[in-house]
Amino acid sequence: GAGVSQSPSNKVTEKGKDVELRCDPISGHTALYWYRQRLGQGLEFLIYFQGNSAPDKSGLPSDRFSAERTGESVSTLTIQRTQQEDSAVYLCASIFRIAGGPTGEQFFGPGTRLTVL
Amino acid sequence: EDQVTQSPEALRLQEGESSSLNCSYTVSGLRGLFWYRQDPGKGPEFLFTLYSAGEEKEKERLKATLTKKESFLHITAPKPEDSATYLCATSGTALIFGKGTTLSVSS
Repeated sequence: GAGVSQSPSNKVTEKGKDVELRCDPISGHTALYWYRQRLGQGLEFLIYFQGNSAPDKSGLPSDRFSAERTGESVSTLTIQRTQQEDSAVYLCASIFRIAGGPTGEQFFGPGTRLTVL
Repeated sequence: EDQVTQSPEALRLQEGESSSLNCSYTVSGLRGLFWYRQDPGKGPEFLFTLYSAGEEKEKERLKATLTKKESFLHITAPKPEDSATYLCATSGTALIFGKGTTLSVSS
């Protein structure tokens, strides 16, 4: 596809359930980022994948959050035992980036709006 | 700690009324200052990257400028279609975003 896609676009779940969010980056992009955007807040970095290197997980808020990416393809963000404070828009972005190089212009997907009841 | 602060939080303009949005930052070793536009229900869309103090970039009615401590997004003669949230970010391992300025332009 031409851009970054994310699914589902909306997800409503009950507190305590697990959810899985998906991101399809732009083909050829080596780096993939996940961000969280709470209502009225700026985007908050969660995790970063660069090629086949170990991901930078420094932004994950708790061990209930995890993410995977195989090579330079699809990524999934999993939130276990969801809490109401997890309600937010989860955004994925990709970029062609050389390891150690500047972040540069990131291309964002439309996001997944997660609501935890 | 790296920080990005945007002001004002919200700005209402009449069509044709020029103004500026501010982004102040404290970053060790700036590797780029980014401006994005975000429309409701969509992901941010890239506008500009600035790398050094004194640099300016323009796109249609928008002009971004950079000093050592802040960046401005100048909007000249805005139109209703310029209504959006404008986000500023600096570059670390990932982008560090401010909370944004929500611009509303009425005709």
